[in-house]
Amino acid sequence: GAGVSQSPRYKVTKRGQDVALRCDPISGHVSLYWYRQALGQGPEFLTYFNYEAQQDKSGLPNDRFSAERPEGSISTLTIQRTEQRDSAMYRCASSSRDEGTEAFFGQGTRLTVV
Amino acid sequence: AQKITQTQPGMFVQEKEAVTLDCTYDTSDQSYGLFWYKQPSSGEMIFLIYQGSYDEQNATEGRYSLNFQKARKSANLVISASQLGDSAMYFCAMSGRDNFNKFYFGSGTKLNVKP
Repeated sequence: GAGVSQSPRYKVTKRGQDVALRCDPISGHVSLYWYRQALGQGPEFLTYFNYEAQQDKSGLPNDRFSAERPEGSISTLTIQRTEQRDSAMYRCASSSRDEGTEAFFGQGTRLTVV
Repeated sequence: AQKITQTQPGMFVQEKEAVTLDCTYDTSDQSYGLFWYKQPSSGEMIFLIYQGSYDEQNATEGRYSLNFQKARKSANLVISASQLGDSAMYFCAMSGRDNFNKFYFGSGTKLNVKP
């Protein structure tokens, strides 16, 4: 695609429900990143993939959060048993490792847990 | 660990004037990257400019320049000839030698350009 695409753009869920957030990176980009941005703050790193391999998940806050990228393209970030503190903007970015100087961000998914 | 500090929560600038947004960083890495991103009210993250820690010249991209002072660990963004469309949130970020695009972001500066 032309850019990084994330869906849904907005998600409202009840506390305790599971949610799955999708990221479709720029075609051919091998690296994919997930960030979380609280209101009024800068994005915080969650996890990173090279192709289908999850290289770094040091930013995932707890074991309710997981991510996968099974075919090295589309990625899904899953939050189980959501809590109100999970409410935030979840951003995905992709980069071409060959270029290495710029990561392109998607529009994000605004998650609200009620 | 990397840390980015942006001490200006909000800034005002008159249209057509220049403005400097401050950013300081802390890292033990010898090799790192410094970035600035713009986030308008629409919410997207727009890459503006990049400076590598070994680059001796300050980076420039059109009206944007990065005032890199390595000894002081500062990477201020200078926007020349401000335009109304520059009103946005601006984030400074850095990456370390372990991963070029694993960013550590500052808390941002909200810039308002007055007509």
